[in-house]
Amino acid sequence: DAGVTQSPTHLIKTRGQQVTLRCSPKSGHDTVSWYQQALGQGPQFIFQYYEEEERQRGNFPDRFSGHQFPNYSSELNVNALLLGDSALYLCASSFYSGSSAYEQYFGPGTRLTVT
Amino acid sequence: QQQVKQSPQSLIVQKGGISIINCAYENTAFDYFPWYQQFPGKGPALLIAIRPDVSEKKEGRFTISFNKSAKQFSLHIMDSQPGDSATYFCAASKNSGTYKYIFGTGTRLKVLA
Repeated sequence: DAGVTQSPTHLIKTRGQQVTLRCSPKSGHDTVSWYQQALGQGPQFIFQYYEEEERQRGNFPDRFSGHQFPNYSSELNVNALLLGDSALYLCASSFYSGSSAYEQYFGPGTRLTVT
Repeated sequence: QQQVKQSPQSLIVQKGGISIINCAYENTAFDYFPWYQQFPGKGPALLIAIRPDVSEKKEGRFTISFNKSAKQFSLHIMDSQPGDSATYFCAASKNSGTYKYIFGTGTRLKVLA
């Protein structure tokens, strides 16, 4: 049973560019959340997708957008990259029963470096 | 009110000792408290989680103690091993985990052989 997978593993971009990160949830999971983890910090919530819709959003600008596909996989897009966007981007998946959600399982992350 | 405060920032323990990491929260709506372990270059891995209807939960060498009135919870690692050396994060969520996770700032644990 594959866990949460993310691609690519590492990415180097230049300021002003756009980037797309991808996530495949754990088998049986239908909810995907994205987090940004700066070096030495805890993960910060970006947004969560369920049934192909953004259900919750953290304090991130509109430059951060996402999408969820019918197979529950998800993409995170960041436009107009800033140096401060350099971080580990984590995808977490969970199963939502309608009244509660179960544990979130994290992928290995994508290390984004903006130069 | 959304913050989760974690301490200490770093911790050094001898092999076989007990590692204790503490977290405090303010939002009484939080009802789900997981702990994650993260090794360098890896994503966080779920260790153990607790809901406020119990005061303690134990899984192997890992125990969560929960004090609802004080709005505090802690992770105890018994018989700490060098392989436990990692960064540990507490988190909090509400609505039984459907809400976003609010993470603490992390504790870097080093277990000396």
